[in-house]
Amino acid sequence: RKEVEQDPGPFNVPEGATVAFNCTYSNSASQSFFWYRQDCRKEPKLLMSVYSSGNEDGRFTAQLNRASQYISLLIRDSKLSDSATYLCVVPLYGQNFVFGPGTRLSVLP
Amino acid sequence: DADVTQTPRNRITKTGKRIMLECSQTKGHDRMYWYRQDPGLGLRLIYYSFDVKDINKGEISDGYSVSRQAQAKFSLSLESAIPNQTALYFCATSDQGLAGEPINEQFFGPGTRLTVL
Repeated sequence: RKEVEQDPGPFNVPEGATVAFNCTYSNSASQSFFWYRQDCRKEPKLLMSVYSSGNEDGRFTAQLNRASQYISLLIRDSKLSDSATYLCVVPLYGQNFVFGPGTRLSVLP
Repeated sequence: DADVTQTPRNRITKTGKRIMLECSQTKGHDRMYWYRQDPGLGLRLIYYSFDVKDINKGEISDGYSVSRQAQAKFSLSLESAIPNQTALYFCATSDQGLAGEPINEQFFGPGTRLTVL
């Protein structure tokens, strides 16, 4: 099993839709998790951090399920500007970060 | 001004040439990283450094070397470039954080697009 796995998509959704991505990880000792957003040919930028069971920021909600070792990202009321690749990131404790391959989202008018 | 900068932003070179990519940061972070990104493979760690003079190999260090001579600077070298090193390269930084606390997020530079012919 890869350390971090994501469905690459693409997810094509209409404006206003709700969309959810999952990310599974193999290291059960991981304590914190991140979702990054990456626009085409640009650097990844932090979207949300997840340290406990979940986190909510406006239209974005991240959930953590430690028993099943997955985190999810829910986007409500999708906007055209949400079109991007969403990267799941799992730090190895005290060391470095492992990136998932990313899930591509296209929000259509 | 950007907190993490990379130079050059774009570079085209030939097989066998030596190339150096520079990364500078003004965030005061101890930890710095070099990644490469290829389509469909996500970001893969090349080298990382937790302090000046501290160097650690990542997942794909073969064919690369790094230098961390100052807290703010971390350079990546390709001693003899080959075509399969064509990729988008990112530098990133993170704060060490407090002992026992969850690790903090990374901040990325704008990337260097390298093409090896």
